[in-house]
Amino acid sequence: GAVVSQHPSWVICKSGTSVKIECRSLDFQATTMFWYRQFPKQSLMLMATSNEGSKATYEQGVEKDKFLINHASLTLSTLTVTSAHPEDSSFYICSAESGPQETQYFGPGTRLLVL
Amino acid sequence: AQTVTQSQPEMSVQEAETVTLSCTYDTSESDYYLFWYKQPPSRQMILVIRQEAYKQQNATENRFSVNFQKAAKSFSLKISDSQLGDAAMYFCAYRRLETSGSRLTFGEGTQLTVNP
Repeated sequence: GAVVSQHPSWVICKSGTSVKIECRSLDFQATTMFWYRQFPKQSLMLMATSNEGSKATYEQGVEKDKFLINHASLTLSTLTVTSAHPEDSSFYICSAESGPQETQYFGPGTRLLVL
Repeated sequence: AQTVTQSQPEMSVQEAETVTLSCTYDTSESDYYLFWYKQPPSRQMILVIRQEAYKQQNATENRFSVNFQKAAKSFSLKISDSQLGDAAMYFCAYRRLETSGSRLTFGEGTQLTVNP
């Protein structure tokens, strides 16, 4: 299957700082990338959908000014958690697809801990 | 809105035995995709199997097979000859047939334990 990477795999930061998470499709061009958040022992919650070269579409209840998403190229999307607070601590996962009817492949996730 | 329900929060199976995980969904669409994803302790989401709704034949991937009942909106996963490495959280997911950016709707997951 296709490979999606995420960096960093885990990060600890102080409250009030910003953290950037990268999601890369390594062996295919991703027309669409998705960002999810997952709490322990829970399902994945979609935060936003991003298409290359256009603004991300955020799910209801997700603060777009807090979770900045950029999809500048067909192989890279970034999620920036701005002014992070302890309640933003979570597991963030990205996924990517090469076309509208293609399978979504997931990155390995990023554990964020805000102190 | 589409919903996906997994009614078994936890399941267990003996190594080498067979286990079936249940999934039901609700949709008014006639064409769509269904998936089973596996999330082991590493938390990497891994695609197990994919089913197109227009296909009557049930998808199979080695020891994994599905029982797709479109009229009943049921999509169960059967794992044969269970192995210790099959222990994971399993998520059923639904996806509409759209031109672009179609989201996955996940169920709540079933935690599978494989006993040696």
